[in-house]
Amino acid sequence: DTGVSQDPRHKITKRGQNVTFRCDPISEHNRLYWYRQTLGQGPEFLTYFQNEAQLEKSRLLSDRFSAERPKGSFSTLEIQRTEQGDSAMYLCASSSLHRDGYTFGSGTRLTVV
Amino acid sequence: AQSVTQLGSHVSVSEGALVLLRCNYSSSVPPYLFWYVQYPNQGLQLLLKYTSAATLVKGINGFEAEFKKSETSFHLTKPSAHMSDAAEYFCAVSQAGNTPLVFGKGTRLSVIA
Repeated sequence: DTGVSQDPRHKITKRGQNVTFRCDPISEHNRLYWYRQTLGQGPEFLTYFQNEAQLEKSRLLSDRFSAERPKGSFSTLEIQRTEQGDSAMYLCASSSLHRDGYTFGSGTRLTVV
Repeated sequence: AQSVTQLGSHVSVSEGALVLLRCNYSSSVPPYLFWYVQYPNQGLQLLLKYTSAATLVKGINGFEAEFKKSETSFHLTKPSAHMSDAAEYFCAVSQAGNTPLVFGKGTRLSVIA
């Protein structure tokens, strides 16, 4: 068990560009979550999946954001037409349907310049 | 809806002193409660969790928390602070052990030598 992996760890992009982040959960975990954390704040929920089904999306997830988990394993989070306000740490977590608790990845820090 | 309030955005203690980080929650259903620690530019590490079993929960690194339903609180304590405890601490609540977490804004703990 290698834990939850996120790639890349850091991303610097110019405003208006598209970016995509990847999350590989713990293999036996069927739920996967995305959170956004801005400086000095707690993580805010964006969306989550059970297997390949997206169960819930936060109102924070504007139409520029899209998340997928096509085969119920890894997930991608894409941000189109990035804005400076998108600069944040994007955290991924996974959990098992039958056990309590969540495992977080190390996050992807996005800087939009 | 669920929410978490962490009293004190910054707490400073002397090395060897008691650590007390406060967390109050709001939940319409019996809550699952968590404390996480975050070191700079890293993800979240679980310290401990309450999942409707014992009200006094012991976690890693000497931390513990007590669930008090009457006070809707889940305060985190450690008898003796160590320099390595300096970090950001987040309290979080969920409806079950595998539904999205709602986080507080965090408390930054400083430990003074």
